[in-house]
This record gives sequence, C-alpha cells and structure tokens, in this order.
Amino acid sequence: DVKVTQSSRYLVKRTGEKVFLECVQDMDHENMFWYRQDPGLGLRLIYFSYDVKMKEKGDIPEGYSVSREKKERFSLILESASTNQTSMYLCASNTEVGTQENWAPYSNQPQHFGDGTRLSIL
Amino acid sequence: DAKTTQPTSMDCAEGRAANLPCNHSTISGNEYVYWYRQIHSQGPQYIIHGLKNNETNEMASLIITEDRKSSTLILPHATLRDTAVYYCIVSYSGGGADGLTFGKGTHLIIQP
Repeated sequence: DVKVTQSSRYLVKRTGEKVFLECVQDMDHENMFWYRQDPGLGLRLIYFSYDVKMKEKGDIPEGYSVSREKKERFSLILESASTNQTSMYLCASNTEVGTQENWAPYSNQPQHFGDGTRLSIL
Repeated sequence: DAKTTQPTSMDCAEGRAANLPCNHSTISGNEYVYWYRQIHSQGPQYIIHGLKNNETNEMASLIITEDRKSSTLILPHATLRDTAVYYCIVSYSGGGADGLTFGKGTHLIIQP
C-alpha cells in the first residue's frame, strides 16, 4: 500500500514564525503535491513538484515556498506565518506516466494523501 | 475537467450495499472517473477509478454507463466506518500534474 506520511497531525505556531511541514512517501512517486483544505473552499493546490529540485506553483502559492531535495520528501514552508494560514494541510503523491505535448508531466494515476496537518496560527 | 453532480447526502443501513451516483454529462473521451472519500479530520482516501469499463477492487465497484455520462460507486457491504464524504472527480490526468479539484461530494451516513 502507498504510504504518505506527514510529520505532524496537529501544530500550533505564532504569527511571524517560520513553519516547516514535512511529507514523505514510500512509493518512489515522481509527483508530489501540497494542498490546503478549508470549509466552504474545498481543496486548493499550493505547490507541486514532478521531480527532485523541481517545483511548480499551484493556485495559491503566495506566502508559501517548497523544497524537494530528495525524491521521497516534499517540504512546505510558511515563510512568516499569518492567521489566515490556519488550515488543514494535505500532502499527496502519484506516479508519472509520461509527458504531454508541451513536455509537462502527465499522470492518470490517482493521488494518495497523507492524514493531514491541522495547523493553527495564533 | 468535466463538472460532476452528486447528491448532497445519503443514508444506508449497515450491511447493505451503498450505491452512490454521479452525473458527468460533459465528460470527454479521454477523461477518467475517480472516486475518493474523506472521513472526518482525515486526509482523502483514493477508492477506485476507471475510463470506460466497470472496475472492481477490494474496496468498491465502479459502474460507468455506456455513454459515460454517469457512474455509480458501489460499496457492497457498508459498515459504520464507511461513513464519510465521497467525491466523484472527472479528469484527464487525475490531477496528475496540476492538482485535484473536489466538489461538495456526497455525505454518506451508514445507519446501525
């Protein structure tokens, strides 16, 4: 079974702190994703990565950065935490199947999620 | 990605089959149907996906109509632990390179 592990289930931080959320997958997946999930807003993509040291902005990258130094690990960084970043953060991964005409990665394989980190910024 | 329509909520008795419908009338030929579920306070869990043919795995069965405009997820013997929000997604790439979008889903409640 695919295992995506997020470092913390619950985290409380203060405004202005630098926050690191870690995610590790054990299936040698090329693609990894960071989402946030908020009531009424659904799932929103923050960043994704399709290879080591590669990253692409999702729909809401402002205030966040990411790091992928190893294939199995994808970190989300809140540079200076703010109260509007209080949310459930979800990491996911899937395997790449090929490339599209524009050389973007393509996968029709399902994404597998971690259990999430519920982050509160006070 | 094509839009999907699901009922807001459904009840099912424990031990019975739960049949969750999904309409996706604008689906295009290369789009897959994916099902996920999310139990309260946990991350989404992948259930099953398919393109044209019906699919079955250890968790569920997926029935896709011949015109592919709708599908049904079947949990054959529902248990209390199957109470969750179920999401039907239609996508060319499964969010494979650009993220998933969940709609509101169906809140399935399994009654003892």
